[in-house]
Amino acid sequence: SAVISQKPSRDICQRGTSLTIQCQVDSQVTMMFWYRQQPGQSLTLIATANQGSEATYESGFVIDKFPISRPNLTFSTLTVSNMSPEDSSIYLCSVGPRSGVDTQYFGPGTRLTVL
Amino acid sequence: LAKTTQPISMDSYEGQEVNITCSHNNIATNDYITWYQQFPSQGPRFIIQGYKTKVTNEVASLFIPADRKSSTLSLPRVSLSDTAVYYCLVSPSTTGGGNKLTFGTGTQLKVEL
Repeated sequence: SAVISQKPSRDICQRGTSLTIQCQVDSQVTMMFWYRQQPGQSLTLIATANQGSEATYESGFVIDKFPISRPNLTFSTLTVSNMSPEDSSIYLCSVGPRSGVDTQYFGPGTRLTVL
Repeated sequence: LAKTTQPISMDSYEGQEVNITCSHNNIATNDYITWYQQFPSQGPRFIIQGYKTKVTNEVASLFIPADRKSSTLSLPRVSLSDTAVYYCLVSPSTTGGGNKLTFGTGTQLKVEL
């Protein structure tokens, strides 16, 4: 299993500002994923963070709004840019196994409130 | 990615067995079935995974019929602490460090005294 930490655990931000969320894993992993969970909803994948290449974004999510960095095999950041109240959500990162049957491990999430 | 269908919510009482069924009619040959549990303000947590027949661990059992078009998560003797959202997902074995997962609505299980 993998141990994942996220910073910050929560934040309250003003409209128009940006927040960078950090995800740290205790072991090297190939792929990291960023999800959004809006209040009372299920999880939606934002993008896949690949080490050494640009992130792959899902439909409805763009790099200008959610830039992602992946500088090494244990760390990634997600920035929520030019925030609006609609961005208020929980943002979670996850990692998968190196290979074999897919069992992903999730971080505790970052609860973002935009005023 | 195979789509899953689960009941939106279920209620139970402490000490009872709870069975949550998930439908995944278009599951592919190389797909596995995985269940996650999510408590409020936490990330989803892996519960159990299987390919066919029955899998049991210290937390739950997973029953998968021969056609694999559905699966049932069984929680024996639930307690208040089992109140959570349970997600059923199907995804293939990975060769590249994980697959992007598609979460359905999940089942909100509420356990009462």
